[in-house]
Amino acid sequence: EPEVTQTPSHQVTQMGQEVILRCVPISNHLYFYWYRQILGQKVEFLVSFYNNEISEKSEIFDDQFSVERPDGSNFTLKIRSTKLEDSAMYFCASVRGSGRSNGYTFGSGTRLTVV
Amino acid sequence: SQQGEEDPQALSIQEGENATMNCSYKTSINNLQWYRQNSGRGLVHLILIRSNEREKHSGRLRVTLDTSKKSSSLLITASRAADTASYFCATDGIASGSRLTFGEGTQLTVNP
Repeated sequence: EPEVTQTPSHQVTQMGQEVILRCVPISNHLYFYWYRQILGQKVEFLVSFYNNEISEKSEIFDDQFSVERPDGSNFTLKIRSTKLEDSAMYFCASVRGSGRSNGYTFGSGTRLTVV
Repeated sequence: SQQGEEDPQALSIQEGENATMNCSYKTSINNLQWYRQNSGRGLVHLILIRSNEREKHSGRLRVTLDTSKKSSSLLITASRAADTASYFCATDGIASGSRLTFGEGTQLTVNP
């Protein structure tokens, strides 16, 4: 069964550093997402991406965050100048259509720890 | 209360029993989805029910949707120890693009 692959599985970074989280969505999927889950809390939407541009973003997704699909297969989330409160599990997801008829396929996540 | 709230927050049952989890939401939806998350792992899509559907089955899973009450339930029949996980409902709201709004989740423990 096709999978969404995320790397690394765990990243530790110092406060103020930049991190790039990587995702390889399912190849025939068209919509891509980043969500995050702070430990013990609910999963929160960050951003959706379609046709090589951001289609929607949440209040969390401020200027500190950016997304890119640099080579047609990878989908990256960059966090500039990380803060302690950015520590969370970050999940990438993709869906073939708009998601209205299909469930999303999530990756296993990247656990980001900011120290 | 917030969009996509589940109850109970935690449920502990014996293997073979049925587990029922409920979800309430506030806005109009295109569909409602249930996901499972094993500890520290990713989210696995279980089932999607559209706003014009009332009930859906998939294996041992049965989902109901009541749009008049803005609520859904997930029933897992004949539970197994391997069903131990957190279960989340997520709504695809009409006014929210294609983002999913997740609930707080129910932690299900199935004791062997």
